Amino acid sequence: EAGVTQFPSHSVIEKGQTVTLRCDPISGHDNLYWYRRVMGKEIKFLLHFVKESKQDESGMPNNRFLAERTGGTYSTLKVQPAELEDSGVYFCASSQALAGGIRYTGELFFGEGSRLTVL
Amino acid sequence: AQSVTQPDIHITVSEGASLELRCNYSYGATPYLFWYVQSPGQGLQLLLKYFSGDTLVQGIKGFEAEFKRSQSSFNLRKPSVHWSDAAEYFCAVGARIGNQFYFGTGTSLTVIP
Repeated sequence: EAGVTQFPSHSVIEKGQTVTLRCDPISGHDNLYWYRRVMGKEIKFLLHFVKESKQDESGMPNNRFLAERTGGTYSTLKVQPAELEDSGVYFCASSQALAGGIRYTGELFFGEGSRLTVL
Repeated sequence: AQSVTQPDIHITVSEGASLELRCNYSYGATPYLFWYVQSPGQGLQLLLKYFSGDTLVQGIKGFEAEFKRSQSSFNLRKPSVHWSDAAEYFCAVGARIGNQFYFGTGTSLTVIP
């Protein structure tokens, strides 16, 4: 069974440009999460989808970030326009859902991350 | 506020030596606790988790961790480190119901022959 896959693995863009990161969760996982790690800092929560709905987007830094999950399958995270402080590694994770939708089995399955460098 | 502290940014140990990585957390309720490892070029992999019950939990690759409620700690241990254990280790705390995990800043482990 395929794990969580993320694309691209590394993206280098200039300030002001747009970047779109993609995440394919494990098949059948209703919960999809985006996290970000800025160099040397902790991994921070960005948002959580349950199927195609945003359950919690309290971690999104500002309105330059837009996440979508059309059809409840893969998700994209767009940064537009990118700023220097957006550099970091963006992790996607997925988990199964139990009854109630927002509960989880206690394990997040992470992708390898997409490293974003903004120059 | 919820937070996780990993006081050791970088640790170096000799192969075959024992290892202990520290993790302290601050959480308003009874948490789920996790240790994840990220090897170079890999995603985050779950090593072990604590939900309830026995406070000493066993994980993969010979790792174990002990939950000490009185100390708000969940330290990771391994009796004998292998060169392949060189990686970055993250402690995390999560809600029993919900979605957010709170991670520490990570501890980078170097293993010398």
